[in-house]
Amino acid sequence: DAEITQSPRHKITETGRQVTLACHQTWNHNNMFWYRQDLGHGLRLIHYSYGVQDTNKGEVSDGYSVSRSNTEDLPLTLESAASSQTSVYFCASSRGGNEQFFGPGTRLTVL
Amino acid sequence: GNSVTQMEGPVTLSEEAFLTINCTYTATGYPSLFWYVQYPGEGLQLLLKATKADDKGSNKGFEATYRKETTSFHLEKGSVQVSDSAVYFCALRRDNAGNMLTFGGGTRLMVKP
Repeated sequence: DAEITQSPRHKITETGRQVTLACHQTWNHNNMFWYRQDLGHGLRLIHYSYGVQDTNKGEVSDGYSVSRSNTEDLPLTLESAASSQTSVYFCASSRGGNEQFFGPGTRLTVL
Repeated sequence: GNSVTQMEGPVTLSEEAFLTINCTYTATGYPSLFWYVQYPGEGLQLLLKATKADDKGSNKGFEATYRKETTSFHLEKGSVQVSDSAVYFCALRRDNAGNMLTFGGGTRLMVKP
């Protein structure tokens, strides 16, 4: 069955380290999104992509980057992790303007 | 800009009680409106949606009506079950903003047997 996966599911890192969170979908969706979920804020959009080689900044993009070298993957990189980036991160994908499908999430703790 | 405001939780109900979770929005144009549900330890799943004024979305006994005059999209269910315990998110998508969603803060529902 087609699906969207995220790895790792849990990550503990130290301030200043580079961290990459993986997102992989097998639906061949053109749109992919990264959100962070924080108590009281709901989900906030970090970056998004509408296709290969396309990336765009979302609402809270500072300190994060993404790249889209193929349809299936949109890795999220924290160049220099900060404690304020401790959060739960969700990846999502969609085809055109249709429903977004969400991955199971990655819980990141920055010490 | 766009924004979605939900009632703060947690909402605690007994099984078979009536549920209302309020959602109001601010947006230009004619957005589409959504309710997503997040069960413990999982990602979000689409629960229902409405794409134009007066539309009613419904699924699994939940309903919400797109009210443009009050800019609201309140979620209702006539008789909740323990299995409905989850976090519910209201969201909007502007009609000219690709497929980007703006979420509310989420409302946790706890249903006791």
